[in-house]
Amino acid sequence: DGGITQSPKYLFRKEGQNVTLSCEQNLNHDAMYWYRQDPGQGLRLIYYSQIVNDFQKGDIAEGYSVSREKKESFPLTVTSAQKNPTAFYLCASRPDGGGNQPQHFGDGTRLSIL
Amino acid sequence: QKEVEQNSGPLSVPEGAIASLNCTYSDRGSQSFFWYRQYSGKSPELIMSIYSNGDKEDGRFTAQLNKASQYVSLLIRDSQPSDSATYLCAVTGGGSYIPTFGRGTSLIVHP
Repeated sequence: DGGITQSPKYLFRKEGQNVTLSCEQNLNHDAMYWYRQDPGQGLRLIYYSQIVNDFQKGDIAEGYSVSREKKESFPLTVTSAQKNPTAFYLCASRPDGGGNQPQHFGDGTRLSIL
Repeated sequence: QKEVEQNSGPLSVPEGAIASLNCTYSDRGSQSFFWYRQYSGKSPELIMSIYSNGDKEDGRFTAQLNKASQYVSLLIRDSQPSDSATYLCAVTGGGSYIPTFGRGTSLIVHP
């Protein structure tokens, strides 16, 4: 079955530690996105990538980094510079970044501070 | 900056009633409109897409788009307790293909 796989489902970060959230899709989609969701805040865009080897900052990129070396993979690193990382992280993809198709989401990763 | 506004709710309706969820957007050039359902602790799930003025029906769901008034709505007929969730409106187009999401409306369907 085609879909978006996020792992792990739950992640705990220690003070000063970088952690990486995985997002893999087998839908052959060009565009991939990372969102952060806090209670009552809706979805906030962290980074997006419309094509392999290219990515752009979203609204809240500080303290995060990404890479897009393969079409199917878009990992997100939460660095120690992100002082309030506790949130629900959602990865999404869609066929192309410039079209009108909807995004589809993975199941999310819930990150907490130890 | 594009804005998408939704009443946060909660909207409470009895089982079997019609639930009406509304969304307004600021960018007149917006072209694509989506409704997602998000259960507590889960990721958003696409339930409707609409691209042109008028109504689009899919089962118990009807999306209504009025570009002149810049609003899109979602009607849920014969509401069930299993429809209780947060409904997110998303809008794209108008010079940016990055979707803009509203904060969502919480719907509670009580037996």
